[in-house]
Amino acid sequence: ETGVTQTPRHLVMGMTNKKSLKCEQHLGHNAMYWYKQSAKKPLELMFVYNFKEQTENNSVPSRFSPECPNSSHLFLHLHTLQPEDSALYLCASSQEGTSGADTQYFGPGTRLTVL
Amino acid sequence: GQNIDQPTEMTATEGAIVQINCTYQTSGFNGLFWYQQHAGEAPTFLSYNVLDGLEEKGRFSSFLSRSKGYSYLLLKELQMKDSASYLCAVRDSNYQLIWGAGTKLIIKP
Repeated sequence: ETGVTQTPRHLVMGMTNKKSLKCEQHLGHNAMYWYKQSAKKPLELMFVYNFKEQTENNSVPSRFSPECPNSSHLFLHLHTLQPEDSALYLCASSQEGTSGADTQYFGPGTRLTVL
Repeated sequence: GQNIDQPTEMTATEGAIVQINCTYQTSGFNGLFWYQQHAGEAPTFLSYNVLDGLEEKGRFSSFLSRSKGYSYLLLKELQMKDSASYLCAVRDSNYQLIWGAGTKLIIKP
């Protein structure tokens, strides 16, 4: 247990479906992240929220829409996804300051399959 | 561009020692992280190096040479539970984490 939970753990959806991924952190951190992890590729940072404000959006397609209602919860809304979006989606949190040592703590991920 | 290189896969024997290398080319440097990720689980933090030298934590040690853009993770007295992927990540001058693709470590009895 890392203090970061994600639901669902597995999701299969069709290209026309709408679904949401949920992340909750119990660590009192001020920053939350969405990453995409594909086989044999580096983690791809998708979105960053710091104090509930989005500070990073790495050219992610609009079919992915993040929402951060408070510093403990983060959602990723999915709409009209493509098969190439199938991957493990990881949520992370950290206490961001000015130190390079700020460590990110990850949830177990949602394994997404788009048919 | 920014780049982190680490071997894709390594195999080692239970009880032995293995060294996983990571080389990096980034715009600036504000520390290097190692994470362990078991299949289907969350990456978990192992170590952080910002100064040159060796940091030891039980069976695991991490080394950094900033001048060479190089780090390694050393695992001693390997156990079957050490079978996992090991991720190297560097924090650049903008405090962004740049990730390697990970090294899958297979432990054989």
